[in-house]
Amino acid sequence: DTGVSQDPRHKITKRGQNVTFRCDPISEHNRLYWYRQTLGQGPEFLTYFQNEAQLEKSRLLSDRFSAERPKGSFSTLEIQRTEQGDSAMYLCASSDVQGNEKLFFGSGTQLSVL
Amino acid sequence: AQSVSQHNHHVILSEAASLELGCNYSYGGTVNLFWYVQYPGQHLQLLLKYFSGDPLVKGIKGFEAEFIKSKFSFNLRKPSVQWSDTAEYFCAVITGGGNKLTFGTGTQLKVEL
Repeated sequence: DTGVSQDPRHKITKRGQNVTFRCDPISEHNRLYWYRQTLGQGPEFLTYFQNEAQLEKSRLLSDRFSAERPKGSFSTLEIQRTEQGDSAMYLCASSDVQGNEKLFFGSGTQLSVL
Repeated sequence: AQSVSQHNHHVILSEAASLELGCNYSYGGTVNLFWYVQYPGQHLQLLLKYFSGDPLVKGIKGFEAEFIKSKFSFNLRKPSVQWSDTAEYFCAVITGGGNKLTFGTGTQLKVEL
C-alpha cells in the first residue's frame, strides 16, 4: 500500500501521560498536514509542513502539542500531559506542491484519554 | 475566519433517488472548494474540487457540484444514488490562496435498498 500510513491505529492512555503518533506520507509528497476530528465534526486543521519546515500552526495547537518532520519524510505528533479533551481521531494527510491541493488522508489514530 | 456550513447532518434516501447536499461558506475572496467522502471503515478521499473556470464540476462516481458565487454555495448533486453511496460527505474550502482546508461538519448519507 503506497498511501498515507499512520501508527498506531488506536491509543488508549491515562490522563497526564504523553503520547506520540507517527505519520508516513506518500513518498513523493512534500506537504504534510495534521488534522483532528471529534465525533459529529469535520476535521480541524492543526498544523502543516512543507518538507521539514513547519509553516503554519492552528491556535488549537496548545503548548502541549508538538509536531516534527525532521527529514522532510515522516512526521510525529506528540501530546504531553494528555487531557480527556484530547480524545479524538488524529488524521494525517499529504499532498504535492504542484498547486493541486488534493489531500491524501491516512486512516487516522484514534486517541482515547481515560 | 472562514467557515463552512453543511445544513443537512443526516440524509436518508432510497436507491435511485436524486441527491443534493448543501454547502455554504463564509469568505468574500478567492476560494477553492472541495467535497470529500468517507465510506464506512475507509479514509477520507477527494470526490471533486473547484478551482476556477466552469462552475459546474464533475467528480468521481457520477457526482457533480455547482459553485454559485453569489450564494456562497457549492452544493453536491447526484441524479440517482446507489446503496454504495452510503458514506459521510464533507464540504471544504481553501481561502485566499492559503494551504489549509477548512471542513464543514459533514453530512451522513444513508441509501436504503
